[in-house]
Amino acid sequence: GENVEQHPSTLSVQEGDSAVIKCTYSDSASNYFPWYKQELGKGPQLIIDIRSNVGEKKDQRIAVTLNKTAKHFSLHITETQPEDSAVYFCAAGGGSYIPTFGRGTSLIVHP
Amino acid sequence: KAGVTQTPRYLIKTRGQQVTLSCSPISGHRSVSWYQQTPGQGLQFLFEYFSETQRNKGNFPGRFSGRQFSNSRSEMNVSTLELGDSALYLCASSLAGVNEQFFGPGTRLTVL
Repeated sequence: GENVEQHPSTLSVQEGDSAVIKCTYSDSASNYFPWYKQELGKGPQLIIDIRSNVGEKKDQRIAVTLNKTAKHFSLHITETQPEDSAVYFCAAGGGSYIPTFGRGTSLIVHP
Repeated sequence: KAGVTQTPRYLIKTRGQQVTLSCSPISGHRSVSWYQQTPGQGLQFLFEYFSETQRNKGNFPGRFSGRQFSNSRSEMNVSTLELGDSALYLCASSLAGVNEQFFGPGTRLTVL
């Protein structure tokens, strides 16, 4: 089955800095890579996703890049704000199977 | 459009009891998946239902079961509760044939 590794487990940045979270996956058949943000007491919220026919996707301050050859994908958050503080999860999946999730990254943005 | 709703939000049970959790998907979504989230294991997939049929199943014991009704609402049941079943149980819904999943707020289950 699919195996997803996510790093780092904790990331602490100053407000205004950029944050990068990286994930690797094992199954070359995976073609859908979502990112979720989970705030305390809430369920994960889909913030951006990318499919394997695209190398990069942007939405305002967040972007995701995908390297299919190396089987890794990353989440980039620019100009971080305190409200970006949360746990971020990557996942890999697609086709008829359920995404496999990474273990999560706790992002702390210091004002 | 209303999001995914889960009831109850919090639940306290004792070992050996059973529990039933409920999930109402986004209107029009026919796929419902259940996950267990714990600090140690992260998000673990339990099962997925589509059109009242279990389509995918994770690696959990038979004490964990679920079902889906004709209106796409889903329930999961855990029998003979163990301390290790304490977790946040998340439900996610998606459109048929589409990968994007939308999560509910979860049910926090505590087993004493």
